[in-house]
Amino acid sequence: GEDVEQSLFLSVREGDSSVINCTYTDSSSTYLYWYKQEPGAGLQLLTYIFSNMDMKQDQRLTVLLNKKDKHLSLRIADTQTGDSAIYFCAALPDTGRRALTFGSGTRLQVQP
Amino acid sequence: DTAVSQTPKYLVTQMGNDKSIKCEQNLGHDTMYWYKQDSKKFLKIMFSYNNKELIINETVPNRFSPKSPDKAHLNLHINSLELGDSAVYFCASKDSGANVLTFGAGSRLTVL
Repeated sequence: GEDVEQSLFLSVREGDSSVINCTYTDSSSTYLYWYKQEPGAGLQLLTYIFSNMDMKQDQRLTVLLNKKDKHLSLRIADTQTGDSAIYFCAALPDTGRRALTFGSGTRLQVQP
Repeated sequence: DTAVSQTPKYLVTQMGNDKSIKCEQNLGHDTMYWYKQDSKKFLKIMFSYNNKELIINETVPNRFSPKSPDKAHLNLHINSLELGDSAVYFCASKDSGANVLTFGAGSRLTVL
């Protein structure tokens, strides 16, 4: 089955860029997602990318996908204190067991 | 109007009790999921139903029994609650042909 891995913690200063990385194992994963979870809250879909794309940009968010290395990253430009949260990477296979597999989450701490 | 609603939002109960968490979606989706988020924030798929049929059943104790009376509802019943069942349970839904899951706000279960 799919295995998704992320580093657990990232600390940046306000105004800097944040880059959160993720690796996955199942090459049949055709959609890859980034979710944000603030303390005590649910899961907010930030963005997702189809596997035939290399990059997707949405305002301050840039997603990069290296399908060969099965590596996904989320860059947040001009990081704000309100961006402090846990960020989850997730993968959805195209066939078989069609459920999201989540990474362990990266806790982003933004220092003022 | 809430798209995926879960009740209750908080549930505190004693070990050995039986409890249910309910989920309803008004999006017209035909696939629904239960995910468990443990104290370390790991998110794991538990069950998935498509048009009332169980299609994903992960390695979950048989004390957990999902029930889908119709495609808009997916309830989770837990018998003989244990301390380790304490977690946040998330319901989600999507159309079978779509690639984006909509999550509920979560139900925090605390077993004392």
